[in-house]
Amino acid sequence: KNEVEQSPQNLTAQEGEFITINCSYSVGISALHWLQQHPGGGIVSLFMLSSGKKKHGRLIATINIQEKHSSLHITASHPRDSAVYICAVRDTQGGSEKLVFGKGMKLTVNP
Amino acid sequence: DVKVTQSSRYLVKRTGEKVFLECVQDMDHENMFWYRQDPGLGLRLIYFSYDVKMKEKGDIPEGYSVSREKKERFSLILESASTNQTSMYLCASARGGPSYGYTFGSGTRLTVV
Repeated sequence: KNEVEQSPQNLTAQEGEFITINCSYSVGISALHWLQQHPGGGIVSLFMLSSGKKKHGRLIATINIQEKHSSLHITASHPRDSAVYICAVRDTQGGSEKLVFGKGMKLTVNP
Repeated sequence: DVKVTQSSRYLVKRTGEKVFLECVQDMDHENMFWYRQDPGLGLRLIYFSYDVKMKEKGDIPEGYSVSREKKERFSLILESASTNQTSMYLCASARGGPSYGYTFGSGTRLTVV
């Protein structure tokens, strides 16, 4: 079983829809990252959070430490939101500085 | 604007060649990482470095080596490139400690023919 699971693996939405991407993890963490990767492009860090909720523009990220679960919400989705969204956790075991990645979720937003 | 710069966006090399992938960061970060990304497998850690001249193996170090002679530069070396090393390679850097985020480079798509 992967330490970081994302669901769904693929999602197609219509412009304007509210989108939720889920991430569950099984290890103790110090922080959780949401990353965005456009086709052929590098990775951009959207959020890093260790508790509660963060908001940036149309994006909202939440985390529930007790349930080991995080969600990324996109409000009023737009075709430019089409990308792969990756959840990654900073594993606290052994004092590691490493990230453990989910396999990513491919989002397509149609006009 | 702070950034991580990878020297090449696309690279085509022949089997058996020695390949150098360069990564430079301008944020004075202690930690630097090399990942490869393959469809269905996600990002996998090859090597990371937490200080100059220091390195640690990641999850898939076989066939790779690294060099960190200066804090800002972290090089990934494929000693003898093979076709199964065709992949997207991503470099990242981060300040030490759990409170700091990561900055990723734009990636190098390497094809070994």
